[in-house]
Amino acid sequence: IQMTQSPSTLSASVGDRVTITCRASKSINMWLAWYQQKPGKAPNLLIYKASSLQSGVPARFTGSGSGTEFTLTISSLQPDDFATYYCQQYSGYPFTFGPGTKVDIK
Amino acid sequence: EVHLVESGGVVVQPGGSLRLSCAASGFEFGDFAMHWVRQPPGKGPEWVSSITWDGENTYYGDSVKGRFTISRDDMKSSLYLQMNDLRHEDTALYFCAKDIGVAGTYLDSWGQGTLVTVSS
Repeated sequence: IQMTQSPSTLSASVGDRVTITCRASKSINMWLAWYQQKPGKAPNLLIYKASSLQSGVPARFTGSGSGTEFTLTISSLQPDDFATYYCQQYSGYPFTFGPGTKVDIK
Repeated sequence: EVHLVESGGVVVQPGGSLRLSCAASGFEFGDFAMHWVRQPPGKGPEWVSSITWDGENTYYGDSVKGRFTISRDDMKSSLYLQMNDLRHEDTALYFCAKDIGVAGTYLDSWGQGTLVTVSS
């Protein structure tokens, strides 16, 4: 299953509402996770099962979608949120990640 | 607190072999599936291999199938990745990651990675 993300780069300001889209080449139901990665660090789980918030993750992060189209929304961008975001499908092996969306400062 | 520490990454020549290790602590290692994920410099993560909680089932990405072998030692709370016939394109930061379940779903904890460089 191929995963695509858009946009590849997103320039935004603190306080902005940000939306990232992830698409799967075939239906993955809701078996999708979102990760945040900062330079030099491992990815950090934000969302699982398309819309469930991982424990400890701020409520400004929300996930939605099912089937082949998914979104990650940050309701009010904070300085700590400038990072790269990846989606990952776990509908079945082989697991696949999206190419990433880099959120940088406008 | 879950703690995963990878080791074994070095510079190796093409065609060479390497074994990566991941020491786990802070959870009941034998109850969870485990994964290796790699990330080439400047690129996104690529899933490499997974092993179920009981070690009965293993899975590999097409790019490493037949060359890499994943294994686990629950007595030592350790995960391993035997890498043979290494290629330039295997150069990456290799992460060990814990699954939330027994067979393979999403990855809720990651180590900091160990760097493998394949170069002559």
